[in-house]
Amino acid sequence: SQQGEEDPQALSIQEGENATMNCSYKTSINNLQWYRQNSGRGLVHLILIRSNEREKHSGRLRVTLDTSKKSSSLLITASRAADTASYFCATEPLLQGAQKLVFGQGTRLTINP
Amino acid sequence: ETGVTQSPTHLIKTRGQQVTLRCSSQSGHNTVSWYQQALGQGPQFIFQYYREEENGRGNFPPRFSGLQFPNYSSELNVNALELDDSALYLCASSSGTSRVGEQFFGPGTRLTVL
Repeated sequence: SQQGEEDPQALSIQEGENATMNCSYKTSINNLQWYRQNSGRGLVHLILIRSNEREKHSGRLRVTLDTSKKSSSLLITASRAADTASYFCATEPLLQGAQKLVFGQGTRLTINP
Repeated sequence: ETGVTQSPTHLIKTRGQQVTLRCSSQSGHNTVSWYQQALGQGPQFIFQYYREEENGRGNFPPRFSGLQFPNYSSELNVNALELDDSALYLCASSSGTSRVGEQFFGPGTRLTVL
């Protein structure tokens, strides 16, 4: 079963604009990660934020985590056509022995030139 | 450094058949996880192998089984294929023990069951 829900399911913006995607999850976590997937291919790791962190940056990416609301957001600034992809949040549950990532259903991002 | 590779790229089987998918982990990684991704959905965890032992399993029936070899490559076997098994199967490798951390994914195997 999916732990997370992502919002919106699809997002279409103009090149140069900022894109914001949100993720909510249900259980306590050890960390939350964001991945990108191009055209049904393998996933590429973007960024990992630990449960004791509130914000993290990597290049044009900014991730926030609010554990009290069980939610995270991914901001991509100054979007480019190459950012067109599906973006997934994935959580590592805090349950003992849970050796897995639990993915949301993803946001399909389209950047229009 | 070699990335995660998977074979075959595409596979077509009929209902009731058996299939074996293969994964070579990234150099230096001793942990392999398998995920199933149905069309339009996020990946779902099948199981994980660490040093040749199963180290966690998701909500998949026993006809989904796996192996990890001494070189840390891995196989996913699915018996008695059903139409709903049609999906992209992703393998991910990582290093470490009890925590998951960043996963390095292969390009996937697209399985179609007719």
